[in-house]
Amino acid sequence: AQKVTQAQTEISVVEKEDVTLDCVYETRDTTYYLFWYKQPPSGELVFLIRRNSFDEQNEISGRYSWNFQKSTSSFNFTITASQVVDSAVYFCALSEAGGADGLTFGKGTHLIIQP
Amino acid sequence: DAMVIQNPRYQVTQFGKPVTLSCSQTLNHNVMYWYQQKSSQAPKLLFHYYDKDFNNEADTPDNFQSRRPNTSFCFLDIRSPGLGDAAMYLCATSRDRSASYEQYFGPGTRLTVT
Repeated sequence: AQKVTQAQTEISVVEKEDVTLDCVYETRDTTYYLFWYKQPPSGELVFLIRRNSFDEQNEISGRYSWNFQKSTSSFNFTITASQVVDSAVYFCALSEAGGADGLTFGKGTHLIIQP
Repeated sequence: DAMVIQNPRYQVTQFGKPVTLSCSQTLNHNVMYWYQQKSSQAPKLLFHYYDKDFNNEADTPDNFQSRRPNTSFCFLDIRSPGLGDAAMYLCATSRDRSASYEQYFGPGTRLTVT
């Protein structure tokens, strides 16, 4: 069965610090997809990134970067030079090509950026 | 600009009184999902429609039903809400059924049961 673990329930940092959100996943499928979503206080889940299991290249988008390592089943998310607007709950999610439809989410990490 | 719209944003219902939440999309996506998210928890998939094909999750209570009259609209019906059904209900869409497609979420409806 698929599972996503986000061990950090809450992280609080001061603005401009770098912060890394951890995500560890479990799956028996060889083809799967990993996602990160941001949920600001308004409630809407915002898609950030998708990574497939065959592409281990790290990705950078502005202040955001993602580190995918199949050897450790991890898909970590780093925010560089954090800003107050980054405050939100961040969810890591998994979908399996051969599995049921829909996303399996981790429990989320509540990120607080203090001014 | 809104792509996935949910109405209402906030809904209050009485214990046992049927309630319907609605979702519409302008993306013309084939798949529509309903998730339940309780406070400080991860969203949990209730069911989804692939076109007109309804797919229920095994542990979704019978109290929850859904309808999709056309591509654009999908409804979540709670026949007899209990206090434990108070939650945020999120509607999402994806272009197709493949696991590779990202899902687009609406802003959610926060349901309160009194």
